Amino acid sequence: NAGVTQTPKFQVLKTGQSMTLQCAQDMNHEYMSWYRQDPGMGLRLIHYSVGAGITDQGEVPNGYNVSRSTTEDFPLRLLSAAPSQTSVYFCASSRGLAGSYNEQFFGPGTRLTVL
Amino acid sequence: DQQVKQNSPSLSVQEGRISILNCDYTNSMFDYFLWYKKYPAEGPTFLISISSIKDKNEDGRFTVFLNKSAKHLSLHIVPSQPGDSAVYFCAASGDSNYKLTFGKGTLLTVNP
Repeated sequence: NAGVTQTPKFQVLKTGQSMTLQCAQDMNHEYMSWYRQDPGMGLRLIHYSVGAGITDQGEVPNGYNVSRSTTEDFPLRLLSAAPSQTSVYFCASSRGLAGSYNEQFFGPGTRLTVL
Repeated sequence: DQQVKQNSPSLSVQEGRISILNCDYTNSMFDYFLWYKKYPAEGPTFLISISSIKDKNEDGRFTVFLNKSAKHLSLHIVPSQPGDSAVYFCAASGDSNYKLTFGKGTLLTVNP
């Protein structure tokens, strides 16, 4: 199993450009989420999904869109990149069975710089 | 409003000694707590967890203690090894919610 994969590993954008960060998992996990990590801020939840076709906002959703058309994939779209979106982005997944607590498995991250 | 707090940004210990990382939380609905370890340029990896029905959970060199009345948990690493040097994040979830709320992390440095 590859676990949680993320592409690209690094990306540089200009202000106003759009792009999609890809995330895929091969563990048949229902729950997937996106976090951003900024210095001194820990990990903050951007969006999450509890299954195909179901998404919801996290703590810092502005400027980002997500969709979940399959169990495996959960892409994160930046609509119009801003310097404030310079960060390291992590995708995570877990089994998410109701009433069962499962640790989340994280991808290796995408380091994004917006100029 | 920070619901999970790790008040020590960094901690330095000698190899072989005990490392104690602390975490406080404010949301009384949290009922499951996790510790993650993160090396530079890698994603966080799960280390150990504890449910609110317990006050201690052990896994090898790692033990997590939970004090519900104080809304405090701690991670003990004994003995500490240089390979333990990493950022440690405390996280919490509650109310059968899969969302995790993370603290800001503590950088542990274990000196040989």
